[in-house]
Amino acid sequence: QSVLTQPPSVSAAPGQKVTISCSGSTSNIGNNCVSWYQQLPGTAPKLLIFDNNKRPSGIPDRFSGSKSGTSATLGITGLQTGDEADYYCGTWDSSLSAGGVFGGGTKLTVL
Amino acid sequence: QLQLQESGPGLVKPSETLSLTCTVSGGSITSTTYYWGWIRQPPGKGLEWVGTIYYSGSTSYNPSLKSRVTISVDTSKNQFSLNLNSVTAADTAVYFCARKNILYTHWGYWGQGTLVTVSS
Repeated sequence: QSVLTQPPSVSAAPGQKVTISCSGSTSNIGNNCVSWYQQLPGTAPKLLIFDNNKRPSGIPDRFSGSKSGTSATLGITGLQTGDEADYYCGTWDSSLSAGGVFGGGTKLTVL
Repeated sequence: QLQLQESGPGLVKPSETLSLTCTVSGGSITSTTYYWGWIRQPPGKGLEWVGTIYYSGSTSYNPSLKSRVTISVDTSKNQFSLNLNSVTAADTAVYFCARKNILYTHWGYWGQGTLVTVSS
């Protein structure tokens, strides 16, 4: 069972917009920045969003992130078939059991 | 361009020790700016943070694995390593090594990952 909670799956048609939620607590999302990763089948996770809403160089602005309280959201607009992947949120937990934490992942299907 | 490459046995017997090494190229493991870590992913499941090390040797581990895991660093070889003892089938996973800036919470660079299967 993952520390952060994500929906198992989301789907939308090409060209549409989708959002993926990530829910945590005050010890993790509430007090730390959230990052998002895209994982294509058989590959390593790729950083999409860091510091809640910043994009690394080379990540298109179709990808966006936001955070409010103990929840975060990844948004993807102008969906493409190549966006079909697993998406993970992650952050740090500042509790007694401090360390890295991730969501369980969300499978995006582009219909 | 920073590159991380995992290496080690792909098959480990139950109750034995899983040992992996991450070789860093294109950057120095002694940089004061970064932590180095291991993250694993069981087949068909999500990501799990295993532990993190600083070049000085300071470590932090996932509490659920802490009694069985050791991460060490070899600055002369620009490598860091993972040892996980008393493994069971539940430790079967793709193991990734990765890098994190000490000031941030995200993992910016990842190795390609290596599958370790625990089976007799």
